[in-house]
Amino acid sequence: AQTVTQSQPEMSVQEAETVTLSCTYDTSESNYYLFWYKQPPSRQMILVIRQEAYKQQNATENRFSVNFQKAAKSFSLKISDSQLGDTAMYFCAFMKTSYDKVIFGPGTSLSVIP
Amino acid sequence: KAGVTQTPRYLIKTRGQQVTLSCSPISGHRSVSWYQQTPGQGLQFLFEYFSETQRNKGNFPGRFSGRQFSNSRSEMNVSTLELGDSALYLCASRPSGNTPGTQYFGPGTRLLVL
Repeated sequence: AQTVTQSQPEMSVQEAETVTLSCTYDTSESNYYLFWYKQPPSRQMILVIRQEAYKQQNATENRFSVNFQKAAKSFSLKISDSQLGDTAMYFCAFMKTSYDKVIFGPGTSLSVIP
Repeated sequence: KAGVTQTPRYLIKTRGQQVTLSCSPISGHRSVSWYQQTPGQGLQFLFEYFSETQRNKGNFPGRFSGRQFSNSRSEMNVSTLELGDSALYLCASRPSGNTPGTQYFGPGTRLLVL
């Protein structure tokens, strides 16, 4: 069974600094999808970024980028120029196929300090 | 387009009662997934419905059930409520097409079992 691990329960970063959130996963599949979701204190979960395993290029979305290391089964999220609005719980997630369920990691609580 | 809506937003029940939660997906989305979120267990997948059929199922007891209607609206039912069922219940819809796995979450229903 696939598992997703986030080893950092809590992190903090100064405003305007860069922070990296870690995620590792376990799968025997060669093609799959990975995601980072953000859940702010208001509780509405939103997608931050997605990566398809067959694409070697790391995905980027404005200040958010990932470091996808397929062989190491690692999928870290880098947030540049951190803003107060980035304060949230961040979940790493895995999906085997487009018809499969999405498996979430335990989350990392990120606090951006002014 | 309107986002995913969930009703009710808050609910208080007593042990032994049953409860029904409702989720209306984004127009055009045929997949609806349900998650239970608790501080101790994180985000746990309950089930997913696609075109009125259960497509995926998590590891929850039979007290948790769901259904989906022809308009893609989904309901989740929990019978014989237990204290441990207190949680935030999130539903998410996802479109078919070229962005597999991208889920759009509702605001959640917070259930308190006394």
